[in-house]
Amino acid sequence: KAGVTQTPRYLIKTRGQQVTLSCSPISGHRSVSWYQQTPGQGLQFLFEYFSETQRNKGNFPGRFSGRQFSNSRSEMNVSTLELGDSALYLCASSLTTTGALQETQYFGPGTRLLVL
Amino acid sequence: AQKVTQAQTEISVVEKEDVTLDCVYETRDTTYYLFWYKQPPSGELVFLIRRNSFDEQNEISGRYSWNFQKSTSSFNFTITASQVVDSAVYFCALNDYKLSFGAGTTVTVRA
Repeated sequence: KAGVTQTPRYLIKTRGQQVTLSCSPISGHRSVSWYQQTPGQGLQFLFEYFSETQRNKGNFPGRFSGRQFSNSRSEMNVSTLELGDSALYLCASSLTTTGALQETQYFGPGTRLLVL
Repeated sequence: AQKVTQAQTEISVVEKEDVTLDCVYETRDTTYYLFWYKQPPSGELVFLIRRNSFDEQNEISGRYSWNFQKSTSSFNFTITASQVVDSAVYFCALNDYKLSFGAGTTVTVRA
């Protein structure tokens, strides 16, 4: 079974631009979560989508948004990019919502975003 | 609030040595799940093990073993007979609808 895939793998943008990242979950998985990883803040939860609905959201500004499609694929968008948005963005999928505590999240390879 | 602490920032060992990674967590929940993930240089987080809060039986899976002690809120992870391919950053995480990660421990295994 194919794992979680993310596109693009690398991205360079300039301040003020916007960016869209894509994530395809493992086949059959209906939940997609997004995480940001930076050297200073570590791994931080952005949001989770399940059945096309945002179930949970982390403590990030409104510039960070996402959506999920009927095939469970998800996109996240960051508008008005700032230098501090440079990070590795990881997508994770699970069978059902992560509100079910036993759910294991499986991660993709991530998208490395550099904001200049 | 959920919190996970990995006090060890870096560990360097010679191949075939055992490596034990410490993890201490805080939670008010009585039911919770703990995880260990590995992040090799490629960046992808790889799931290693999962443990629930009501089963303190320690287990071994291949070269991996873990020691879960609810009384001390610790969930330590051991790699036996380490190999160069084990070099990675290891994260302990607690699930409460989202994964709360520790800061990670960088393990370097030298040949």
